Amino acid sequence: AQRVTQPEKLLSVFKGAPVELKCNYSYSGSPELFWYVQYSRQRLQLLLRHISRESIKGFTADLNKGETSFHLKKPFAQEEDSAMYYCALWAGTASKLTFGTGTRLQVTL
Amino acid sequence: KAGVTQTPRYLIKTRGQQVTLSCSPISGHRSVSWYQQTPGQGLQFLFEYFSETQRNKGNFPGRFSGRQFSNSRSEMNVSTLELGDSALYLCASSLGQVLKSGNTIYFGEGSWLTVV
Repeated sequence: AQRVTQPEKLLSVFKGAPVELKCNYSYSGSPELFWYVQYSRQRLQLLLRHISRESIKGFTADLNKGETSFHLKKPFAQEEDSAMYYCALWAGTASKLTFGTGTRLQVTL
Repeated sequence: KAGVTQTPRYLIKTRGQQVTLSCSPISGHRSVSWYQQTPGQGLQFLFEYFSETQRNKGNFPGRFSGRQFSNSRSEMNVSTLELGDSALYLCASSLGQVLKSGNTIYFGEGSWLTVV
């Protein structure tokens, strides 16, 4: 069975500081990994997926198969980045995503 | 293009009652999946439908059921409600049966269910 672990429930950083939201997964096959974000009072939305290898809102994430990690990074945090971030894994079964428990990012002045 | 629409947005039910939640996927999307979101358990997969057939089911008791109609709209039903069923129920839709590279799952705003 697949599992996604986000070890931090809350990550508090100062504006302009680097951000790294951790995500580790367990799955024996080749998964696809995603980061979803949920801003206050908004719906859950896709931030990025590893196959796209793109940067969205300054965020990047690299899939490290050796460490089974997919950490989300941003060099300089902005206030508007404050939100709940979920790491998710697709194991090739229909449209089912397995989510981590989420990390709340709080960016303060 | 309208997003995933869920109704009702908020509802309060009493223990033992049943509830039906509705979801209209994005136009053209044929796959609809449901998730339960709680502070303690996070987002947990309930089930997924494609072309009116349940393709995948999570680890929830039989009190949780769903269906999909020919127009891809979906409903989920929870019978004999328990206090622990209080949660945000999210519906999501995607283009195809399988979340292939390039397909994306889009979420609705959810239905907040409170069981008292």
